[in-house]
Amino acid sequence: KQEVTQIPAALSVPEGENLVLNCSFTDSAIYNLQWFRQDPGKGLTSLLLIQSSQREQTSGRLNASLDKSSGRSTLYIAASQPGDSATYLCAFRGANSGGYQKVTFGTGTKLQVIP
Amino acid sequence: EPEVTQTPSHQVTQMGQEVILRCVPISNHLYFYWYRQILGQKVEFLVSFYNNEISEKSEIFDDQFSVERPDGSNFTLKIRSTKLEDSAMYFCASSAGQGEHEKLFFGSGTQLSVL
Repeated sequence: KQEVTQIPAALSVPEGENLVLNCSFTDSAIYNLQWFRQDPGKGLTSLLLIQSSQREQTSGRLNASLDKSSGRSTLYIAASQPGDSATYLCAFRGANSGGYQKVTFGTGTKLQVIP
Repeated sequence: EPEVTQTPSHQVTQMGQEVILRCVPISNHLYFYWYRQILGQKVEFLVSFYNNEISEKSEIFDDQFSVERPDGSNFTLKIRSTKLEDSAMYFCASSAGQGEHEKLFFGSGTQLSVL
C-alpha cells in the first residue's frame, strides 16, 4: 500500500527564513506529485505539479523538486512571510496507488511564520 | 480565475438521512473527483468520474455513495443513509486532462455533520 509521509508535522520559523518541507513516498512508479496548501477550514490550493519526467518546478518563491530514486520530494519556500502560514500537503499519483486517478495525500506539514 | 464551487458550505443532517453535496467543476475540465477529510486526518480519495461514468473508486465509496453529473455543469455526491462516521469535510476537485493538465483544482469544501 502506498504511503506518503511528510516531515516535520509542524514547523515554526521567523519571517524571512528560507525553509524546506519534505515528502516521502514508497512507490517508485510515480506519475506525478502535486503540492498544495490548506488554510484552516478551507479548501486546497494547488501550488506546483511535478511530472515523473521532471526534476523540479518553480513558481515565484516556491521551488519543488522530485527525486524518484530516493522516493522524495521537497518544497522550498524562499524568504518566508506570515502569509505563508498554512498546512502544506503533498499528493502522490503512482502506478501502485490502486488506480491511476487515485491520488494519495501526505499527512501534511503545518507551517507557522512568525512576524 | 476559474474555480471549483461547492454548495452548501455546511450541512447538518440526522443519521439515516440522505444528503446531496453539490459541485460545479471548472467548465472545460473533463475529470471530476470527490475527496473527504475527517477532522485531523488525511485527505482521502473517494471517487473519480470521467466521460459520464465512474473511472475509479476507493474502498470508502460503498453502496451508500453515488455520484452523478445531471447536466453539463453540476457534479453531485449523494450519501443515501448517512452514518455518524460520514461526518467530514467533502472536497470536490476537477482536472483538465492528462500529463501537464492533471493538476487538481479543489473547491472550498462542504462540512458535513451527521448527528
